Amino acid sequence: GAGVSQSPSNKVTEKGKDVELRCDPISGHTALYWYRQSLGQGLEFLIYFQGNSAPDKSGLPSDRFSAERTGGSVSTLTIQRTQQEDSAVYLCASSPPGAGVYEQYFGPGTRLTVT
Amino acid sequence: SQQGEEDPQALSIQEGENATMNCSYKTSINNLQWYRQNSGRGLVHLILIRSNEREKHSGRLRVTLDTSKKSSSLLITASRAADTASYFCATEAGTALIFGKGTTLSVSS
Repeated sequence: GAGVSQSPSNKVTEKGKDVELRCDPISGHTALYWYRQSLGQGLEFLIYFQGNSAPDKSGLPSDRFSAERTGGSVSTLTIQRTQQEDSAVYLCASSPPGAGVYEQYFGPGTRLTVT
Repeated sequence: SQQGEEDPQALSIQEGENATMNCSYKTSINNLQWYRQNSGRGLVHLILIRSNEREKHSGRLRVTLDTSKKSSSLLITASRAADTASYFCATEAGTALIFGKGTTLSVSS
């Protein structure tokens, strides 16, 4: 079956513009995670969705970042008024029901460059 | 905040040699995982070791865990050029994983 997909694969935007990044999780997976990876760094947790529960937004770095998950499937990460420090690879992962935090399947990521 | 810290940051070896990477973490864990990342994109899960395990093997991979020292090591034996990638350890933190900064492995033929 298809894995986690993300679009676009690359995005270049001007400082101050808003961007939307999309994640399509594996069909049937109930948990969805967003991470950010800055150059030469490890992954930084951003937000976690589990079924219909309220998302865990504890990793979002500022109120310019928000995410939605529609119908328990596709998720969109929105960054408003982008800054140069937002440049990073944004990775999405999903997990099947009951898998817990350890069984995460990652997408290929979106490389965001803010000029 | 980062839970795991890998060491070394970068490692260059020849094909056929073994590569050893280390990871230290700060808090108690239930499990620890190692991931591989090619070209700064998606991560691939390699192996999971539970807190009550001391060593685990998967193909050419050998992982050890020392909970008293809060450290783990990943050994890749008989390395190949295709093993060139970044390797990360990850531990749980509530609802998500916390990753270290990774070790960049370069295997030359």
